[in-house]
Amino acid sequence: EDQVTQSPEALRLQEGESSSLNCSYTVSGLRGLFWYRQDPGKGPEFLFTLYSAGEEKEKERLKATLTKKESFLHITAPKPEDSATYLCAVQVAGAQKLVFGQGTRLTINP
Amino acid sequence: GAVVSQHPSRVICKSGTSVKIECRSLDFQATTMFWYRQFPKQSLMLMATSNEGSKATYEQGVEKDKFLINHASLTLSTLTVTSAHPEDSSFYICSAGTGGADTQYFGPGTRLTVL
Repeated sequence: EDQVTQSPEALRLQEGESSSLNCSYTVSGLRGLFWYRQDPGKGPEFLFTLYSAGEEKEKERLKATLTKKESFLHITAPKPEDSATYLCAVQVAGAQKLVFGQGTRLTINP
Repeated sequence: GAVVSQHPSRVICKSGTSVKIECRSLDFQATTMFWYRQFPKQSLMLMATSNEGSKATYEQGVEKDKFLINHASLTLSTLTVTSAHPEDSSFYICSAGTGGADTQYFGPGTRLTVL
């Protein structure tokens, strides 16, 4: 069964304290891995798509990396406005739908 | 680009009534749209996948006669919750993509409360 596991469930950091969020996946074949940010009461906002192991993408303080078994979302010198739930999802080869992880609730304290 | 809208953003209805939620892709043509529901502090649960001009594919355990999905054009999909009950209260979110290994863009969500 295709599965996506995110860790930790919740993470509290001080402003400026860098860290990483993990997304481990077990799928029959990976078509793409997606990272989204979701604020309370809103729909997910697209961040990155990664397609193959070794690929990296960056946007402001965020950097996503991908291996054959997991993806990391690195956040460098975070600010309070980076507080949100970060969702990881995979698209399995031959399918259209996304399989989501449970998310990581990130809180950045000023 | 890649903006998806939903209407309404919030709806409160009485038990037994039907509610229609619209999902529109504003600046691209969406060959595929997806409907999710999300309970508090939980992740997204896929309800169904709809391709323009064909019947929706429902996930296991989702009642197709209760959650009617119509994808009549490349920019509009609707979800109708029929004979709504309090247990249908949830946050409903749609997403749209152009098919294949393509990014799904999400709408802002609709908060449904059934009294």
